[in-house]
Amino acid sequence: DGGITQSPKYLFRKEGQNVTLSCEQNLNHDAMYWYRQDPGQGLRLIYYSQIVNDFQKGDIAEGYSVSREKKESFPLTVTSAQKNPTAFYLCASSGGPGGTGELFFGEGSRLTVL
Amino acid sequence: GQSLEQPSEVTAVEGAIVQINCTYQTSGFYGLSWYQQHDGGAPTFLSYNALDGLEETGRFSSFLSRSDSYGYLLLQELQMKDSASYFCAVRDQEAGTALIFGKGTTLSVSS
Repeated sequence: DGGITQSPKYLFRKEGQNVTLSCEQNLNHDAMYWYRQDPGQGLRLIYYSQIVNDFQKGDIAEGYSVSREKKESFPLTVTSAQKNPTAFYLCASSGGPGGTGELFFGEGSRLTVL
Repeated sequence: GQSLEQPSEVTAVEGAIVQINCTYQTSGFYGLSWYQQHDGGAPTFLSYNALDGLEETGRFSSFLSRSDSYGYLLLQELQMKDSASYFCAVRDQEAGTALIFGKGTTLSVSS
């Protein structure tokens, strides 16, 4: 079935460590996105990529990095520079350049810093 | 920048109708989307309005007034399973095809 796969589902990390969250899609979508969600909060945009080998910072990019070497993959690295990384991370994708307001989300990765 | 305002909580009983409002401020507005998210789950798409007016999809309808920078989601014949968080989100020039989300409205449906 087509969809977005995020891994791992749960991740624990010690302070000072970098961690990479995986996001893979088989929907043949050009655009991919990373959002962060904190309890009781909306989704905040970290990074987005509208085409392979290109990406833009969102509202809260500091302390995060991404790459987009393949259309199917958009991994997110949470670096030690991110001051409060404990959160629920959601990856999404959308098809077509015009946009229909519809994003397809993965099931999320829950990161806890110990 | 962009900003969206929606109520933090709404309560209703089964069978009732509820309206969740959303006001927004953006530059180069393209459209307004609505998403549903159950606890611990992924957001799922409900509707998208690019033009003024009402869009109906089953028990859910969404309305947009571009001149008022305002929209709402209307949920009819409420069921217990509609208890979830609902987010409005805008697409505008600054963020390309990305969406900027509001903080969400928690809907609690009781019997």
